[in-house]
Amino acid sequence: EVQLVESGGGLVQPGGSLRLSCAASGFTFRDYAMNWVRQAPGKGLEWVSTISGSATVTYYADSVKGPFTTSRDNSKNTLYLQMNSLRAEDTALYYCARAYSTTSEFDAWGQGTLVTVSS
Amino acid sequence: QSVLTQPPSVSEAPRQRVTISCSGSSSNIGKNGVHWYQQLPGKAPKLLIYYDDLLTSGVSDRFTGSKSGSSASLVISGLQSEDEADYYCSAWDDSLNGWVFGGGTKLTVL
Repeated sequence: EVQLVESGGGLVQPGGSLRLSCAASGFTFRDYAMNWVRQAPGKGLEWVSTISGSATVTYYADSVKGPFTTSRDNSKNTLYLQMNSLRAEDTALYYCARAYSTTSEFDAWGQGTLVTVSS
Repeated sequence: QSVLTQPPSVSEAPRQRVTISCSGSSSNIGKNGVHWYQQLPGKAPKLLIYYDDLLTSGVSDRFTGSKSGSSASLVISGLQSEDEADYYCSAWDDSLNGWVFGGGTKLTVL
């Protein structure tokens, strides 16, 4: 069974940093691209970032380009999102999602981890 | 303001049919596949339809996707109360080099 479990969310002050993790199981992690998608409270889905299976290609939404970095450790079956210079607008539930390639559909999602940026 | 445009809400009676539209441009829907996600209240999104009209395994065939030019549609027939959810369309955008989502459509089954 495919499982994606996010962790690392929490309350952080504006300007602070946080690193999210997404532990994958039930499939060959390195064969799949991975994505981060976020959802602000009461709002719609917003794509954040995509990383290829080999980690050679990454894409970012303009809203996070620079402060956010996506990486993965295929030996640990884990996806990461390093978030720096956090702002109130980054407050959201962050989901990781699997895709066959960087431009294919997200066929499995985790349950999300909540990030709250507030003083 | 989302790159893909969806109606904020739709409603219809049980057993009826409803259509959710998704409008984009030549750089996203006009060139790449459209994917539809269902998000039940308090749950993570779930893939319903991929590459315009392909039904995800295990999803009811009451869900149908289609695309014409730079617009796409999701049709749900034989509406049931369990279909009440938010629905999102998405596509890769060649100009932005990233994924774009619609703003989501809240379906209410009256």
